[in-house]
Amino acid sequence: GAGVSQSPRYKVTKRGQDVALRCDPISGHVSLYWYRQALGQGPEFLTYFNYEAQQDKSGLPNDRFSAERPEGSISTLTIQRTEQRDSAMYRCASSPRGTGTWNEQFFGPGTRLTVL
Amino acid sequence: AQSVAQPEDQVNVAEGNPLTVKCTYSVSGNPYLFWYVQYPNRGLQFLLKYITGDNLVKGSYGFEAEFNKSQTSFHLKKPSALVSDSALYFCAVRGTYTGGFKTIFGAGTRLFVKA
Repeated sequence: GAGVSQSPRYKVTKRGQDVALRCDPISGHVSLYWYRQALGQGPEFLTYFNYEAQQDKSGLPNDRFSAERPEGSISTLTIQRTEQRDSAMYRCASSPRGTGTWNEQFFGPGTRLTVL
Repeated sequence: AQSVAQPEDQVNVAEGNPLTVKCTYSVSGNPYLFWYVQYPNRGLQFLLKYITGDNLVKGSYGFEAEFNKSQTSFHLKKPSALVSDSALYFCAVRGTYTGGFKTIFGAGTRLFVKA
């Protein structure tokens, strides 16, 4: 079956522009996570959704970052007024069940964001 | 605070030899522990997890990991390495008593298996 998909795969933008990154989780997966991964580092948690509810946004670095999942499926991570330090790989992951934290996550291929 | 340490940036092993990739952790409460593997230009793939029960857990591709509560470790092992095992390996932890749903990942260990 289809895995987690993300679009675009690569995004180059100029400093100050807004970007929207899309995640399409595995069909039926309840949980959805966003991570940011810098080169040479592990994924860094950004936010978590259970269905359409954003239950944890403690990892969002500042108020320029926001995420939504309005119908409990596709999610969008938006970065406003991008800065060069936002350049990273942004990864989405989904998990089949809800708040059970013992479930493994299925990761998408990521979106490589470069802010010039 | 939760944390994960992978003390080795890189592990080199000859094909056919046993391999170990180390991971230590710090969490509040009991840990949920995971290993993921990342191949070039691909997303992370789940290998195995420890939730409760037997300290030795077996996962995909012949990998296993041993949970050691006293040493707060969860080292990844394989009895006989393959060249195709060469990849980036991440250890991850989630504590049961921390707020939120944060999973903490280590910085990763690059495994090179030489033919």
